[in-house]
Amino acid sequence: GENVEQHPSTLSVQEGDSAVIKCTYSDSASNYFPWYKQELGKRPQLIIDIRSNVGEKKDQRIAVTLNKTAKHFSLHITETQPEDSAVYFCAASRASGTYKYIFGTGTRLKVLA
Amino acid sequence: DGGITQSPKYLFRKEGQNVTLSCEQNLNHDAMYWYRQDPGQGLRLIYYSQIVNDFQKGDIAEGYSVSREKKESFPLTVTSAQKNPTAFYLCASSMAGGSHEQYFGPGTRLTVT
Repeated sequence: GENVEQHPSTLSVQEGDSAVIKCTYSDSASNYFPWYKQELGKRPQLIIDIRSNVGEKKDQRIAVTLNKTAKHFSLHITETQPEDSAVYFCAASRASGTYKYIFGTGTRLKVLA
Repeated sequence: DGGITQSPKYLFRKEGQNVTLSCEQNLNHDAMYWYRQDPGQGLRLIYYSQIVNDFQKGDIAEGYSVSREKKESFPLTVTSAQKNPTAFYLCASSMAGGSHEQYFGPGTRLTVT
């Protein structure tokens, strides 16, 4: 079946360093790739997304890259801050047919002050 | 707070009782979803609905039931057939089509003893 693999499951970085989280998807028809951030006990919130007609998208310290040929996409956070500490989920979905996301299993990011 | 609400925030039930979790949205979204999240785990899809009076099973539908009689509402019933119902339940909604942000509610933490 369709799945999204996400790595690493945990990631610790020093404040100010960069963090990279990688996802691989199996459904070649996927064309929308959102990233969600979930703080402890809170709801997941969208932080950035990318569509298949774009290879890279950036929003301040956050960027996402997409390699459709390899079916990989990655989240890059630069100049990490303690408030970046959270669980990050990637997902993949199609624009048509079923609307459901296929979520990755999550990455717990800890930014050490 | 984001236009999607869940109630109650915390719910306690005895084993063997059915319980219904509420999810309401005023975002005029066609699609709604229910996810289950266990401690330290990812988001698992229980049921989703793309339009009123229609819904589909997700990956872990056994022991759960839903209805979608109104566009704004998508209640989830956790039945006594669900073997491990204690979890954090998240409802989400989105515009029609898979390439849209899913907006999450604040969640309901259900404890069954």
